[in-house]
Amino acid sequence: AQRVTQPEKLLSVFKGAPVELKCNYSYSGSPELFWYVQYSRQRLQLLLRHISRESIKGFTADLNKGETSFHLKKPFAQEEDSAMYYCALSPGGYNKLIFGAGTRLAVHP
Amino acid sequence: DTAVSQTPKYLVTQMGNDKSIKCEQNLGHDTMYWYKQDSKKFLKIMFSYNNKELIINETVPNRFSPKSPDKAHLNLHINSLELGDSAVYFCASSQDWGGNTIYFGEGSWLTVV
Repeated sequence: AQRVTQPEKLLSVFKGAPVELKCNYSYSGSPELFWYVQYSRQRLQLLLRHISRESIKGFTADLNKGETSFHLKKPFAQEEDSAMYYCALSPGGYNKLIFGAGTRLAVHP
Repeated sequence: DTAVSQTPKYLVTQMGNDKSIKCEQNLGHDTMYWYKQDSKKFLKIMFSYNNKELIINETVPNRFSPKSPDKAHLNLHINSLELGDSAVYFCASSQDWGGNTIYFGEGSWLTVV
């Protein structure tokens, strides 16, 4: 079964602290993995995709096939990072996003 | 220059009514989608159209009927609205069906009372 699990509904940190939003997936083939961000009452925006291996807004994510994980990390959180973060999987070659339940990141001053 | 636009943004209606949400993209994409975000913020795909043809229908009740008059538009019509239909509906589009970035609209907040 294709599934994305984000175990934390809420992650609360102070400004300047490191952040790690966890994502595990279940898929037998070679998936594409993404992180989407949704700021308060705004549209979902693509933050990262694993094939591009880039850093956006200081966030990085590495695909670990052994652990079937794609955790999102940032060394120093900023208040403007407060948002809902969704990990998503796309079955190889198909544009059908399967989303995790999302993690709300709250960064406090 | 909004890429994916949906109307209305907010809709409050009574149970049993029929309503439509419209979506348009000006990106020249071939593929469009409807996603539903429920009260627990869980996002799930409902439908996908590629070049006006239905390619995904994720076991959605047949009260929901998407219509794609051309590849730039994908409208969602809902008959006999129920309380459980209250959600945020997101339209999205991508270049084509094969592994491209998906761009989302701002969402339509539907409340059924």
